Amino acid sequence: RKEVEQDPGPFNVPEGATVAFNCTYSNSASQSFFWYRQDCRKEPKLLMSVYSSGNEDGRFTAQLNRASQYISLLIRDSKLSDSATYLCAVKDYGQNFVFGPGTRLSVLP
Amino acid sequence: DTGVSQDPRHKITKRGQNVTFRCDPISEHNRLYWYRQTLGQGPEFLTYFQNEAQLEKSRLLSDRFSAERPKGSFSTLEIQRTEQGDSAMYLCASSLWTGTGELFFGEGSRLTVL
Repeated sequence: RKEVEQDPGPFNVPEGATVAFNCTYSNSASQSFFWYRQDCRKEPKLLMSVYSSGNEDGRFTAQLNRASQYISLLIRDSKLSDSATYLCAVKDYGQNFVFGPGTRLSVLP
Repeated sequence: DTGVSQDPRHKITKRGQNVTFRCDPISEHNRLYWYRQTLGQGPEFLTYFQNEAQLEKSRLLSDRFSAERPKGSFSTLEIQRTEQGDSAMYLCASSLWTGTGELFFGEGSRLTVL
């Protein structure tokens, strides 16, 4: 089993739709959690950290469920510019960041 | 530009040659990471440094790969006797050791081994 797994995708959604991605991690000692966005042939860029109580940044909401060891990202009112690959990242005690394979999102006009 | 910078951005080499990549992290960041990414996959951890100390290396990192960060600032990643399977994007990232320590990535060095 991989350390970090994500919905395989791709997700093709119309503009304005709400879309949710899930990510599961296997290491129960994981400390910190993040969502990154990666555009085609570009580097990953931090979208948001994920806090235990859940957090929201505009149209983006991240949730953490430690008991079930999963993280979610909800995007409301999807824009064309949201089209990208979304990477889940988990940091363990050793300070190593482990990334999932990513979920590709295409927002269609 | 005060972000993470990597050089070269693209490298084409023949199998068996050695290549070296350089990474300059964000100046106040004391942690520096190297990742490798192939098409359709997430970044795969290779190694990381805290200041000049290399604290962790992936078991996937063969003896042909070596990384240094001699003065705790820039880092180099050398691949000896390159193989076609080494073709990938090599990403460098840096972070602060305090707080949640989010990673900030450079634009990457794309390696093609012919």
